[in-house]
Amino acid sequence: KAGVTQTPRYLIKTRGQQVTLSCSPISGHRSVSWYQQTPGQGLQFLFEYFSETQRNKGNFPGRFSGRQFSNSRSEMNVSTLELGDSALYLCASRRGQGYTDTQYFGPGTRLTVL
Amino acid sequence: TQLLEQSPQFLSIQEGENLTVYCNSSSVFSSLQWYRQEPGEGPVLLVTVVTGGEVKKLKRLTFQFGDARKDSSLHITAAQPGDTGLYLCAGLGGSNYKLTFGKGTLLTVNP
Repeated sequence: KAGVTQTPRYLIKTRGQQVTLSCSPISGHRSVSWYQQTPGQGLQFLFEYFSETQRNKGNFPGRFSGRQFSNSRSEMNVSTLELGDSALYLCASRRGQGYTDTQYFGPGTRLTVL
Repeated sequence: TQLLEQSPQFLSIQEGENLTVYCNSSSVFSSLQWYRQEPGEGPVLLVTVVTGGEVKKLKRLTFQFGDARKDSSLHITAAQPGDTGLYLCAGLGGSNYKLTFGKGTLLTVNP
């Protein structure tokens, strides 16, 4: 069974631009979560989607948004990029709504903001 | 805000040595997970502990959840170079059931 896939794997943008990252969960998984990983702050939760509805949200500014499609694929968007947005963005999927369900991570998208 | 403190932040040891990594918080968690992340990859779940005082073993790795469900430890016996990676603990809890991650322990096992 294919794992979680994220595209693109690497991205370079300049300040002020916007970016869209994509995540395809494991087949049959309906929950998708997004995380930001930086050396200073570690892994921080951005938001979670289940059946196209945002179920949970972390403490990030409104420049960070996401959505989930009917096929469970998810995208996250960051507008008006700042240097501090440079990070590894990880997507994770799980089968159901249960928070004890195993969460599977993708390899991440490395975003560099210049 | 629930916080998880991991220690040590960095650990470099020789093959065959034993080590323990700690994950501490002032908050109570419903469950606690340990992940390992290798360069260029996402974290991979190693274990979930749920009950206070619970001990789980995964080959040479032993995980323990504190009695009060506020802390956890990971002990590796006879470490091997393949154990190299970033070890992350993550606690599930709070009214909104968000998963809170520690900043990780970067382990290097030298042959």
